[in-house]
Order: sequence, then C-alpha cells, then structure tokens
Amino acid sequence: NAGVTQTPKFQVLKTGQSMTLQCAQDMNHNSMYWYRQDPGMGLRLIYYSASEGTTDKGEVPNGYNVSRLNKREFSLRLESAAPSQTSVYFCASSHQTGTGNTIYFGEGSWLTVV
Amino acid sequence: GQQLNQSPQSMFIQEGEDVSMNCTSSSIFNTWLWYKQDPGEGPVLLIALYKAGELTSNGRLTAQFGITRKDSFLNISASIPSDVGIYFCAGQLSYGGSQGNLIFGKGTKLSVKP
Repeated sequence: NAGVTQTPKFQVLKTGQSMTLQCAQDMNHNSMYWYRQDPGMGLRLIYYSASEGTTDKGEVPNGYNVSRLNKREFSLRLESAAPSQTSVYFCASSHQTGTGNTIYFGEGSWLTVV
Repeated sequence: GQQLNQSPQSMFIQEGEDVSMNCTSSSIFNTWLWYKQDPGEGPVLLIALYKAGELTSNGRLTAQFGITRKDSFLNISASIPSDVGIYFCAGQLSYGGSQGNLIFGKGTKLSVKP
C-alpha cells in the first residue's frame, strides 16, 4: 500500500528556475495538502485542496502555485525559485471519519535553491 | 493566528525510562493528533484523538485529549532506543467542509542519554 507518494525526493535548483513537485495518493482521500518544514518552524501549510477542483491558500502560499489534477494528484509549483524556498516539502492527504479528520504524510522532498 | 505550545523542546532518554510530553493552546480543538518523524522521513501518525477526555493507547504509547479541549499529552512507557526521533502534536480546529488543516507544535526531540 503506497499511501502518499511524492517526487522528486531531492532537487537542487538555481535561483529563478522553476519546478513542480508531484504528489499522488492511493487512499481515495478527498483532501490533500502541501506543507513545508524548516528548522525551528515546524510544519507550515502552503496550500490545501479540500476536494477535486478546489484549492485554498494556507499559512505561507507566496511563491507557490498548486494544481489538483484529479482526486489522486496534487502538484506544487515554484515558478521562480528563491533561496528562501530551500526547505523540506511534505505532501499529505486526509479522509474524514465519523469523528474527525486524519492526515497522512508522504516521505518528503528536499529542495535546495542556490 | 492559533499556536500550539509543545514541551519539552528536547529531552534525553535512558532505555527503560517513561517519557512524557504535552501540547497546550489557547484555542479549542476538535481533534488532536500525535506524529513521530525519523530523520529523512515524513511524519508518521501514532495516535488520533477525537473526543475531549479520550485516552487512547498504541502499544507503549498513550495519549489523552484534554477535558478543556485545549491540551493533549503523550506518554511513552519503558522507552527503547528506536523511540528516538521528533514527536509532533497537531490540533485540528474543524473537520469537514473546506478546512481541516492542522496546526503543528514545533516538536519534541527525543535523544538517547550519552
């Protein structure tokens, strides 16, 4: 059971380059998320998608765009990478049970912008 | 914005010791989640709590959803070396609808006593 799969695992970009992080989940979850994790800052939400066809900004959306391609896939795009976007990025998905929401994470993408 | 205060920030454990950590907030949460993150990996869900007062165990781990809905604790009994890592609490303000994102604590880093 793959769960949440994100690619690439590692990437080095030059300032100004663009790239897309891909994420797919096979758990039939409605909601998907992109977080970034920085030392001392914990996990911060960039964008989320409550369902196919909808996306909303999270806490730190500037410099990013997202696409909910279908129910399985949610991509994160950096149009013009900046050194401040050096971080570890986590995709996540969630389902709602009768009592609440439970979120599952991918293994992370390590991005360095030089 | 909402914040979670997680403590302690770090602690050293000796094999066999019990460990306790907690998260508090000024906000009321509907869900509390506890995650563990190993180096180079994504956060892995340990325990999910959905009702005030709920006490849930997962092996040697026990977590409780505080009665006030503003706090939660995680206990690890009889710690073993593989318990080292970073533990995150996360509170969820709502479930269903278009929200459902988590607010994370900054983590408790468990290390082995030298």
